[in-house]
Parts: sequence; structure tokens; C-alpha cells
Amino acid sequence: GDSVTQMEGPVTLSEEAFLTINCTYTATGYPSLFWYVQYPGEGLQLLLKATKADDKGSNKGFEATYRKETTSFHLEKGSVQVSDSAVYFCALSGSNFGNEKLTFGTGTRLTIIP
Amino acid sequence: DTGVSQDPRHKITKRGQNVTFRCDPISEHNRLYWYRQTLGQGPEFLTYFQNEAQLEKSRLLSDRFSAERPKGSFSTLEIQRTEQGDSAMYLCASSLALGLAGFYEQYFGPGTRLTVT
Repeated sequence: GDSVTQMEGPVTLSEEAFLTINCTYTATGYPSLFWYVQYPGEGLQLLLKATKADDKGSNKGFEATYRKETTSFHLEKGSVQVSDSAVYFCALSGSNFGNEKLTFGTGTRLTIIP
Repeated sequence: DTGVSQDPRHKITKRGQNVTFRCDPISEHNRLYWYRQTLGQGPEFLTYFQNEAQLEKSRLLSDRFSAERPKGSFSTLEIQRTEQGDSAMYLCASSLALGLAGFYEQYFGPGTRLTVT
């Protein structure tokens, strides 16, 4: 079945550092890929998405590119802020529409220190 | 738009008891999903509805679990004869499904944290 493997955490960085969180997937067909974020005390929120190969999702300075050849969707940000401290989940769906079941990775806890 | 709401937010129960959780989706959303998240793991899909029809159930949803969405609005998830392994955060999400091209985001509620003692 479908699965998502995510970089193990926790990750601790200094403010303004470069961030990469690795994500690879196994799926049949052509899944859509997502990054969700969970800020302390809040529910899961969609951070960015890509629905086909070579698409780049971006939001709030975060980017991730759908690489079919390497089955990857790594999350990057050039300069992190304290407010980026959260748990990040990579996920996939078998649908381009986003409204089918999601398969999540285990999550990566990110802490940014001033 | 008040978002997805879940009730209760926390539930502590003794092993063997039955529990029921409620989810109220965003009002115009016709799809509703249940996920379970254990400590240190990502959410795992349990089941989803389109309107009142339950379209898919995970093998994680044993016969002790039952979910309903009787009028296509709110949904309930019941766990009978709870076990300690049922301790988890139960998440509800909702989205649209219009049969048209486009992307329909799943919006998550805050979750119900179940502790079975």
C-alpha cells in the first residue's frame, strides 16, 4: 500500500538557518503530495501541495518540489523563524482533488531557537 | 465559517467502557473523514463519508468501532469495549467533493484525546 517516509526528528535550528526536511513516498499511480503543519495547541493545517510531477508547492516561504524520479517531496525554507517551530507532516493522496484519504508520515518536530 | 469542531476535546475512560465522539464539519462540506493519531506518529485514516454514505473504511477500524453520519451533517465515532491501545487523538476533517476539476482541501478539527485507563 501507499506509504510516506519522513526524516526523523526532532530538528533544532537557529533562527535564519536553512531548513530541509526529507520526505519520500511509495504509491501506485500518480499521487498528490502535501505538507501539513501542526503549530503548538492547534489543529493540522495544509502548508503546501503539489498534484503532479515537477510541480512546486510554496507557501509562507516554504517550498517543496514533486520529484517523481526520486519519489521525493522535500520541504525547504531559506531562513527559518522562531514562529516556524511546529510539527511538520508529509502526506500523500491518491487523488488530484485532495479529498480522498491521506497517508501521513510520522512527523518531524522542528524547534527554532533565537 | 467556524471551522471543524469536535466534542469532547478530552475523554478519560476505563477499559471496557464505551465512548462516543462527535464531529461537526464546516457547514457546506459534504465529505467527512476520521483519522487516529497515536503519540509520535502521523494521523492514520480510519473512514470517510460523502454525505451520509460511508465510502471507505480502513482495516484499522475493527468491529468495536462504528461511525455514522445520519443526516449528512455531523458524525459520531463510537468505540465499544475500549482497550488501552485505543488511547490516541481522534481527528476529524471535512472537505468538499463537487465532481468538478479543482483542489478541495481537507480542514482538520482540534481532535479528541482519548485516554483509556
